[in-house]
Amino acid sequence: AQTVTQSQPEMSVQEAETVTLSCTYDTSESDYYLFWYKQPPSRQMILVIRQEAYKQQNATENRFSVNFQKAAKSFSLKISDSQLGDAAMYFCAFTYSGAGSYQLTFGKGTKLSVIP
Amino acid sequence: ETGVTQTPRHLVMGMTNKKSLKCEQHLGHNAMYWYKQSAKKPLELMFVYNFKEQTENNSVPSRFSPECPNSSHLFLHLHTLQPEDSALYLCASSQEEDSFLAKLANYGYTFGSGTRLTVV
Repeated sequence: AQTVTQSQPEMSVQEAETVTLSCTYDTSESDYYLFWYKQPPSRQMILVIRQEAYKQQNATENRFSVNFQKAAKSFSLKISDSQLGDAAMYFCAFTYSGAGSYQLTFGKGTKLSVIP
Repeated sequence: ETGVTQTPRHLVMGMTNKKSLKCEQHLGHNAMYWYKQSAKKPLELMFVYNFKEQTENNSVPSRFSPECPNSSHLFLHLHTLQPEDSALYLCASSQEEDSFLAKLANYGYTFGSGTRLTVV
């Protein structure tokens, strides 16, 4: 079974500062993908960034980047120059080639607050 | 809206009521999903429809009954629910491909904004 663990239920960051959200996962699969989703108060889940397990290079999307440590099964999200609009729930998620139909396994989420 | 629309946005129902949640997508996707999001718990996959055929049913109680009349619409029929069924119900859609790499290359897992369900 695949599991995703987010050990930080809540985090806060000062506006314009940097924050890192943690995620670890457990799997015996070798071909898989990891994702970070953002869920603002509007409730819609929005894909922030994704990482292919076979790629050693960490994914980046503007102010968002990941630190993917495959051996440690760790996948943290770094948000640089935090903005008020970054306040949301952040979910780490996982899927693999045998999952079927894009099935995603999610963590419990981290609530990020941005302090003006 | 992202292309996946869920109605109603909020729903309060008694335990003996029958209600339905609706999900609609106009993205041309061929797979649709129902997820349950409860407080302090990971999102739980409930049902998967691929080309209108149900391919997954993750041990969901029979008081939840999905229906997928076509590839654009997905319903979740609710009957004699329990208070612990109160949650945010999210619909999502995606485009299925034959190979995993093709799937992820065209990654298109789009969520709706959910229906907040309260069972009283």
